[in-house]
Amino acid sequence: SQTIHQWPATLVQPVGSPLSLECTVEGTSNPNLYWYRQAAGRGLQLLFYSVGIGQISSEVPQNLSASRPQDRQFILSSKKLLLSDSGFYLCAWSGAGGETQYFGPGTRLLVL
Amino acid sequence: EDQVTQSPEALRLQEGESSSLNCSYTVSGLRGLFWYRQDPGKGPEFLFTLYSAGEEKEKERLKATLTKKESFLHITAPKPEDSATYLCAVQASRSNSGYALNFGKGTSLLVTP
Repeated sequence: SQTIHQWPATLVQPVGSPLSLECTVEGTSNPNLYWYRQAAGRGLQLLFYSVGIGQISSEVPQNLSASRPQDRQFILSSKKLLLSDSGFYLCAWSGAGGETQYFGPGTRLLVL
Repeated sequence: EDQVTQSPEALRLQEGESSSLNCSYTVSGLRGLFWYRQDPGKGPEFLFTLYSAGEEKEKERLKATLTKKESFLHITAPKPEDSATYLCAVQASRSNSGYALNFGKGTSLLVTP
């Protein structure tokens, strides 16, 4: 069966510090991968998606970036965090045909 | 632009009191409509996918239905463990976004004993 992991679970970072969140998927090959952010009072907002290694598409302009160095690894990064980057970050995967998306446990990020 | 609106924002039910959650949507070519359950501090858990108007799916006390403009999540005789936020999302048939999901803000359901 497929599983999706995210770490860390919780992160408190000062403004201006770098960020690296990691997501890995097990039990599937060539998945589509997604990064969403969930802020209080707002729905899930798609940040990035990837249909293959090295292929990243951004949905929202921001100071975040994403990379996919391996088939089942998706990384969300920032060089300098802003207060507005605080939120709950969720990674999801789907089959290559883009059907149902399955979410990871999430990372709670607080930027102070 | 795709839009998803869920109502009500919050719903409080007594145990055993059936009700429905609404998801209204506009999308240019519906590929699928998805329902998820999200517990506090956790990632969304997949419940149902609906593909065409008239389709219905059931799981335990939950039943999801779909029309051309909205979907309903019916909860029959809810229990306290059904308390959660229920999220609705649509997926457009165009493939230039990796088939990303467009989510509503969710309905927060509280079922009291």
